[in-house]
Amino acid sequence: GAGVSQSPSNKVTEKGKDVELRCDPISGHTALYWYRQSLGQGLEFLIYFQGNSAPDKSGLPSDRFSAERTGGSVSTLTIQRTQQEDSAVYLCASSSAGGVRAQYFGPGTRLLVL
Amino acid sequence: RKEVEQDPGPFNVPEGATVAFNCTYSNSASQSFFWYRQDCRKEPKLLMSVYSSGNEDGRFTAQLNRASQYISLLIRDSKLSDSATYLCVVNPADRGSTLGRLYFGRGTQLTVWP
Repeated sequence: GAGVSQSPSNKVTEKGKDVELRCDPISGHTALYWYRQSLGQGLEFLIYFQGNSAPDKSGLPSDRFSAERTGGSVSTLTIQRTQQEDSAVYLCASSSAGGVRAQYFGPGTRLLVL
Repeated sequence: RKEVEQDPGPFNVPEGATVAFNCTYSNSASQSFFWYRQDCRKEPKLLMSVYSSGNEDGRFTAQLNRASQYISLLIRDSKLSDSATYLCVVNPADRGSTLGRLYFGRGTQLTVWP
C-alpha cells in the first residue's frame, strides 16, 4: 500500500518568506508526527497529532512554526518569516495507534533558507 | 535527563563481525520499544520492534532489560549494507496508553568495511 508522502521534496526560499510543507499519512493512521533533522544531527520532535485529541506542540521551536491536520488526515506545517537556521529536512511520520505502534516516515522535505 | 540515550559511535567493524549497540531509557514505565535504521540522507525505517522476551529477525537480535532499563541490538555476520545509523526508540507512556509519543535516541553510527 501507499506509504507516507510529503511535498515538496525540496524547497528553496529566501529569508523572511513563509513556507508550507505537506504530509499525507498512511490511510487509516490516526497519529501523525512532524520532526526536523539538521545535517548530521538527530531527530528533533516538533508536533504530534493523535486522533481528535489536542496536539502535542511541545517541540515547536518558536511561534513562527505551526501545524494543522485537517479531517484527521493531511497535515500542513507552516513556517512563517523563515530564518537560515530553519534549513533542515522536515520529516513526517504516521502510526496506527499513537505511541504504541511503530511510526512510518515519509521521504522528507529538504528546506533551504537563503 | 534525556528519555533515550545512545552511544553515538562510530562503530567501525569488518565484514562478518558481530557488533552490539546498547541504549538506555529513563522512564521505567515505558512499554514500547523499537530499533530503526537510517541511511545517509534518507528517512528512518523500522528495523524491528523489541519484545520483553527478546526477539530475533535473521542476523538481528533485540533484547530488553527492564531491570536495568536498557535495550540492545546485536548484528551477527555484518554486511556492507548494514552500514547506517541505528536509532533506539521508546514510548515512555503507561501501559495501554495510545496518547504518548515515541522518543528517538540520537543514533549509533555503524560502518562495515570490506
